Amino acid sequence: GEDVEQSLFLSVREGDSSVINCTYTDSSSTYLYWYKQEPGAGLQLLTYIFSNMDMKQDQRLTVLLNKKDKHLSLRIADTQTGDSAIYFCAGEGGADGLTFGKGTHLIIQP
Amino acid sequence: DAGVTQSPTHLIKTRGQQVTLRCSPKSGHDTVSWYQQALGQGPQFIFQYYEEEERQRGNFPDRFSGHQFPNYSSELNVNALLLGDSALYLCASNPAIRRETQYFGPGTRLLVL
Repeated sequence: GEDVEQSLFLSVREGDSSVINCTYTDSSSTYLYWYKQEPGAGLQLLTYIFSNMDMKQDQRLTVLLNKKDKHLSLRIADTQTGDSAIYFCAGEGGADGLTFGKGTHLIIQP
Repeated sequence: DAGVTQSPTHLIKTRGQQVTLRCSPKSGHDTVSWYQQALGQGPQFIFQYYEEEERQRGNFPDRFSGHQFPNYSSELNVNALLLGDSALYLCASNPAIRRETQYFGPGTRLLVL
């Protein structure tokens, strides 16, 4: 089945850009997703990208997909304290629903 | 639009007991999926319901079962609870024709003692 890997922590200064990286194994995933989870809360769908796209931009968010390397990234421009959360990358696992990574804790330094 | 709602928000059970968690999907959504999120981990897919039938299932034992009602709401049942079943249980919904828009509820936090 699908396997999704993410680094556990990322620390950035307020106002800088954050880049969260993810690698996946299943090249048949039609969609790849980024979700945000704040403490004690459920998951918020941030954005998704269709597998035949290389890039998708949505306001401060930019998703880059490198299908050859099976690498997905999420760039958050002008990072704010409200962006502090856990970010999950997920792929479609075919018959297994969505497969999530363990999440990247984004820490914002003032 | 209330989005995906789940009840209860928190629950404490003892080993061996049974539990039922409930989910109401977002308006216009007919497909419901359940996930288990252990502490410090990403969510793991349990199963998905569509048209009142289990359509997909992840790697979970038969102790985990579910149901979908005609109004698309869903229940997750767990029998013979184990300490390891302690987790945040998340419900997600999407329209069947738009599987890329899967929205999650706030979850039910289950503690098994």
